[in-house]
Amino acid sequence: DTGVSQDPRHKITKRGQNVTFRCDPISEHNRLYWYRQTLGQGPEFLTYFQNEAQLEKSRLLSDRFSAERPKGSFSTLEIQRTEQGDSAMYLCASRATGRTDTQYFGPGTRLTVL
Amino acid sequence: GQQVMQIPQYQHVQEGEDFTTYCNSSTTLSNIQWYKQRPGGHPVFLIQLVKSGEVKKQKRLTFQFGEAKKNSSLHITATQTTDVGTYFCSHGGSQGNLIFGKGTKLSVKP
Repeated sequence: DTGVSQDPRHKITKRGQNVTFRCDPISEHNRLYWYRQTLGQGPEFLTYFQNEAQLEKSRLLSDRFSAERPKGSFSTLEIQRTEQGDSAMYLCASRATGRTDTQYFGPGTRLTVL
Repeated sequence: GQQVMQIPQYQHVQEGEDFTTYCNSSTTLSNIQWYKQRPGGHPVFLIQLVKSGEVKKQKRLTFQFGEAKKNSSLHITATQTTDVGTYFCSHGGSQGNLIFGKGTKLSVKP
């Protein structure tokens, strides 16, 4: 257990529905990252926060995706009007500010869009 | 950021055999991280390498960072069934995000 938690662990939804995932990072970590992982691939970067500020978004993050970290603690990732191509594992990772690039991953939320 | 290439994509070994996975970049990297992901699990941090020519050991695992900081390797001596999983190398992107290779999937036959 790395100390990063994600909820829910699994989500099955129908195409067109909205879904929201939550991530609770390690408490002293001010950087929080979202990644997406599909079968047979490594995690791909989506977006990241330093405290409550969203500083970078990947071009993978379409307009249907939005992320927040309102108080600089937990974060939510919402996907609107889900598509079958959104089916993937959504991973959250946190990192302390410093010279290391080491990130600690949560267990992920596996999304299946029917 | 530049993606790193990992080889092989798959490796099947008999328990007790050694295993090595390689990570290559066309550009110089500031650091390399290695993660292990068990089937159905999430990436778990193993180690970070920063210095040119660095070698680090964790029990049966040996990690190396090349002199030119363009490649790295992970070697497992005398594999066990608990070593099963996918091993990823990654490096830091411009925003502190990690850029992952596609991983090497290791299976170990008892």
